[in-house]
Amino acid sequence: EAQVTQNPRYLITVTGKKLTVTCSQNMNHEYMSWYRQDPGLGLRQIYYSMNVEVTDKGDVPEGYKVSRKEKRNFPLILESPSPNQTSLYFCASSLSRGIANEKLFFGSGTQLSVL
Amino acid sequence: GENVEQHPSTLSVQEGDSAVIKCTYSDSASNYFPWYKQELGKGPQLIIDIRSNVGEKKDQRIAVTLNKTAKHFSLHITETQPEDSAVYFCAAISTGTASKLTFGTGTRLQVTL
Repeated sequence: EAQVTQNPRYLITVTGKKLTVTCSQNMNHEYMSWYRQDPGLGLRQIYYSMNVEVTDKGDVPEGYKVSRKEKRNFPLILESPSPNQTSLYFCASSLSRGIANEKLFFGSGTQLSVL
Repeated sequence: GENVEQHPSTLSVQEGDSAVIKCTYSDSASNYFPWYKQELGKGPQLIIDIRSNVGEKKDQRIAVTLNKTAKHFSLHITETQPEDSAVYFCAAISTGTASKLTFGTGTRLQVTL
């Protein structure tokens, strides 16, 4: 089944404790991206990757890191989480033929709480 | 940069009625407009999209209209059913190798029996 898999689904952590949210897609997609969803703000892009070893900042990259060492994986790293990073996070991917991020496939989300 | 405004933020309709969600965008260079549906506990899912060279597109009970001059586009759902209850997001993309997708803030649609 074609899908984007995120783990974990729920995560509670404390301020300053490094964490990684994994994302993997099995559709051989070139484009991958991370979004955060907050009430009243919709979906905001954190980082995106056009292909392996190519990453770039989105609208809200502060406090986050990503890497794209393999085509299928795009982990989101929070080196020192803070309470304002409490949010619902989504990973997404697309084939990227023509418009890079059309027809996005989203993962099921990771609800992160930073205490 | 692009700014996408979406209205209303919540919408309640009776089963069988129609629902309309409206979005406006600011960047005249935007030329691709997708709509995503997010069911409770799930990630957004693409339900319909339209390109700027088309004024209207239909897929069964859903349709999207685009007015490039006014820079607004709308999602129309006819004969609503309880399973249409979800949060709907509009978005706009300005093409290019670093094309940027900007989402609206979402509309929570509730279809009541």
